[in-house]
Amino acid sequence: GAGVSQSPSNKVTEKGKDVELRCDPISGHTALYWYRQSLGQGLEFLIYFQGNSAPDKSGLPSDRFSAERTGGSVSTLTIQRTQQEDSAVYLCASSERVGLAGRLSFGPGTRLLVL
Amino acid sequence: AQTVTQSQPEMSVQEAETVTLSCTYDTSENNYYLFWYKQPPSRQMILVIRQEAYKQQNATENRFSVNFQKAAKSFSLKISDSQLGDTAMYFCAFMSPGANSKLTFGKGITLSVRP
Repeated sequence: GAGVSQSPSNKVTEKGKDVELRCDPISGHTALYWYRQSLGQGLEFLIYFQGNSAPDKSGLPSDRFSAERTGGSVSTLTIQRTQQEDSAVYLCASSERVGLAGRLSFGPGTRLLVL
Repeated sequence: AQTVTQSQPEMSVQEAETVTLSCTYDTSENNYYLFWYKQPPSRQMILVIRQEAYKQQNATENRFSVNFQKAAKSFSLKISDSQLGDTAMYFCAFMSPGANSKLTFGKGITLSVRP
């Protein structure tokens, strides 16, 4: 079946602009995660959604970052007033349920470059 | 808070040889999960192998096996009969079981398999 998809694949923006990154999880997966991968760094947890529960936003680095998940499916990560340090690959992952022993299905990521 | 350390930034191995990637972690918990994820140039993270801390037997998946030393908090990945397709970044990750589980990743290691 179809895997996790993300769009756009690459995004170049100017400092100060807002960007929206989209994630389509695997159908039926109730848990959805966003991670950020900066150059030379591991993956940094940003936020996760599980069903209708309140999202865990503990990893969001600032209030310029927000995410929503509509209808328990598609998720959008929004970065307002982008800064150069926001340049990174943003990875989305989903799983059948939270804590299913870490068996996450990852998307190919969105590479964001802030000029 | 848990931490995952991958001290080797990169390694190289000859095709068909065996290579071991190191990982250490720090936690005060007794029950948890450990993972190795592979990220090829396509950027899509793939789960390679998973270990449950309460299991003493080391996990094995075809050419991939782990050496899990719980007391030493060490979790190394051994790749046997290396193939060109094994060229990728490899991330070690930790997860606590529970309702708000999320993966904590190391910084990764770049593995190059030479023909």
